[in-house]
Amino acid sequence: QVQLVQSGAEVKKPGASVKVSCKASGYTFTSYYIHWVRQAPGQGLEWMGIINPSGHSRTYAQKFQGRVTLVTDTSTSTVYMELSSLTSEDTAVYFCAREPPWSGSYYAYWGQGTLITVSS
Amino acid sequence: DIVMTQSPDSLAVSLGERATINCKSSQNVLYSSDNKNYLAWYQQKPGQPPKVLIYWASNRESGVPDRFSGSGSGTDFTLTISSLQAEDVAVYFCHQYYTTPHTFGQGTKLEIK
Repeated sequence: QVQLVQSGAEVKKPGASVKVSCKASGYTFTSYYIHWVRQAPGQGLEWMGIINPSGHSRTYAQKFQGRVTLVTDTSTSTVYMELSSLTSEDTAVYFCAREPPWSGSYYAYWGQGTLITVSS
Repeated sequence: DIVMTQSPDSLAVSLGERATINCKSSQNVLYSSDNKNYLAWYQQKPGQPPKVLIYWASNRESGVPDRFSGSGSGTDFTLTISSLQAEDVAVYFCHQYYTTPHTFGQGTKLEIK
């Protein structure tokens, strides 16, 4: 079955960077795009970007341009999301999510989420 | 960016009664070339990732109970739960995937009256 397993929670200081991993299994890794979405405590969902694990093409939300980087490691079927210059506003649960087996860019599968806390 | 606005922000419904959540997009999310509305609905329970209920505005995801249904087209959409069950207490989000950046409604918190 399709699984997306994310790395564990982290606490970071303001100004630092964080790298969250999303390891995929149960399907052909290079066949489906992966999105990253975050959710601040008690808040809604915010799209950060998308990566094609096959061709490595990526698109980022303008809000995060210059601060977020998505990369893939096809040898381990893992997508990484790195966010730099962290502030308290970046405290959130970060999710990776995969598109469905057919067309459409909604999120059929989700990782369990990774809580990133930014605090001095 | 396409702005998604849900109403109401919270809703309390008696068990067995109908619950209706609305979602309005600031731009059309109906793609003329395939006549599909690029709109999904998710359910999120505390401490869990969202779970897709409806895609293409009205297609129910496999395994989702048939009391959940989606309707609407263009800019106005509705999620209906025909007979509320206790396990339906959650926050519900609409999501447009017509274009990037993908955007979401602010969420509707559904409770038991």
